[in-house]
Amino acid sequence: DIQMTQSPSTLSASVGDRVTITCRASETIKSWLAWYQQKPGNAPKLLIYKASSLESGVPSRFSGSGSGTEFILTISSLQPDDFATYYCQQYKTYSRTFGPGTKVDIK
Amino acid sequence: EVQLLESGGGLAQPGGSLTLSCVASGFTFSTFALSWVRQAPGRGLEWVSAISGSGVTTFYADSVEGRFTISRDKSNNTLYLQLSSLGPEDTAVYYCAKQRGFSAAADIFDYWGQGTLVTVSP
Repeated sequence: DIQMTQSPSTLSASVGDRVTITCRASETIKSWLAWYQQKPGNAPKLLIYKASSLESGVPSRFSGSGSGTEFILTISSLQPDDFATYYCQQYKTYSRTFGPGTKVDIK
Repeated sequence: EVQLLESGGGLAQPGGSLTLSCVASGFTFSTFALSWVRQAPGRGLEWVSAISGSGVTTFYADSVEGRFTISRDKSNNTLYLQLSSLGPEDTAVYYCAKQRGFSAAADIFDYWGQGTLVTVSP
């Protein structure tokens, strides 16, 4: 199986900060990468697919980049609603795997 | 509006069985693949199983292969997951998730249900 890692595991930030989260795959997944946001007690929500395509209805402050084995999720100006845990997911293989998550909390 | 509503979770004995259901609405049921994704308490997300729009093709994670069975019924727009030989490691919230395409192969999850909790304990 393709292993996914994320860094950092926890990130403390303030409203208005630019935030970046890194996701790495154990082998190339081309651009078959998605990002999800999950808030406590809620289901995950799709933010980004195919590494850089913004899901409909997702604010433009979210963006994704990368290809191959290294990917980045950027929040250009952190808003109060963005404090959550973020997961990357590869979908190159049927045994789609998620990263361990990055929790963004209030500094 | 796409809606996915899971049910069937609860307490199960080690070695026991349980069947989860997910009623779907707001989209043409047979057009899209569906998956089950689980999340152990305080842990990350783990894909469990997927089924194609037709129900013909299924995939399972190694951790559940041979113990869980995914199926779907287009007559009542319902996805199922039969869980058997349960162990404590299967304790999790189980989410039903819609995939973007028809194929059960690797894909993104564009809509999720609210989840149903399965607890495996004596």
